[in-house]
Amino acid sequence: DAKTTQPPSMDCAEGRAANLPCNHSTISGNEYVYWYRQIHSQGPQYIIHGLKNNETNEMASLIITEDRKSSTLILPHATLRDTAVYYCIVRVSGAGSYQLTFGKGTKLSVIP
Amino acid sequence: DAGVIQSPRHEVTEMGQEVTLRCKPISGHNSLFWYRQTMMRGLELLIYFNNNVPIDDSGMPEDRFSAKMPNASFSTLKIQPSEPRDSAVYFCASTVAGGHNNEQFFGPGTRLTVL
Repeated sequence: DAKTTQPPSMDCAEGRAANLPCNHSTISGNEYVYWYRQIHSQGPQYIIHGLKNNETNEMASLIITEDRKSSTLILPHATLRDTAVYYCIVRVSGAGSYQLTFGKGTKLSVIP
Repeated sequence: DAGVIQSPRHEVTEMGQEVTLRCKPISGHNSLFWYRQTMMRGLELLIYFNNNVPIDDSGMPEDRFSAKMPNASFSTLKIQPSEPRDSAVYFCASTVAGGHNNEQFFGPGTRLTVL
C-alpha cells in the first residue's frame, strides 16, 4: 500500500471547518483513500473513503486532487467531540486485501 | 446491534502469566482483525481471519502470541508467557469481506498491563 504523510497536529476553532490534508504521492490507480479517526480511549472509527471523485457523507467531505496525489478531509462545522487523531490510509479495496496500515495520523484539537 | 465486543476491558497481570483476550465480531461479518496500539509503535495489525481462517499473521510479534477463531462469532488472542513489553491496548475489528466499502468496525479495546 502507498505511504501517506499527514501533519502531526492541527487546531480548529469550534464551529469552523476543519481541513485535514494528506499527501499520498505514490498512490496507485487501484488504491482508495480511507479516513478513520480515533477519539481518546476508543477504537478507530471509519469516516469516509474515495477513489478519485469527491465524496460526502453525514460526517465529512473528502476532496481528492485530480492527480490523486493528495486529499483533504473536511469537517464542515467542527465540534469539541471531533477532537481526535485522524488517519489517512491508502489501500486497495476489494477481494483479498482488507487490512489497514495506520500511520501516525493528525491530532486535531477543536478549541472552544 | 451491540457492535464488536471485547473482554476484558482491562487486564493487569504479572510477567510470565498467560493472558487471553476475547472478541465477538458483529454478526454477519466474516473478517476479523487483531490490532495492538502502543505509544511507541502506534496501531499495528497482528493477524486477520477470513471465514475463520487465519490469512496473514505476519504481524504477530513472536511465538508467545497465538490467535484462534473457532467459529464465526468468537476469537481469542493469547499471550503465553506475558512480558512487560506486551503492555498495550489490543483492538479487535470486524468487517464484511467484499462488502461495499470494507469499513472496519472496531471494538472498545482491552488495555493490558503486564507488571
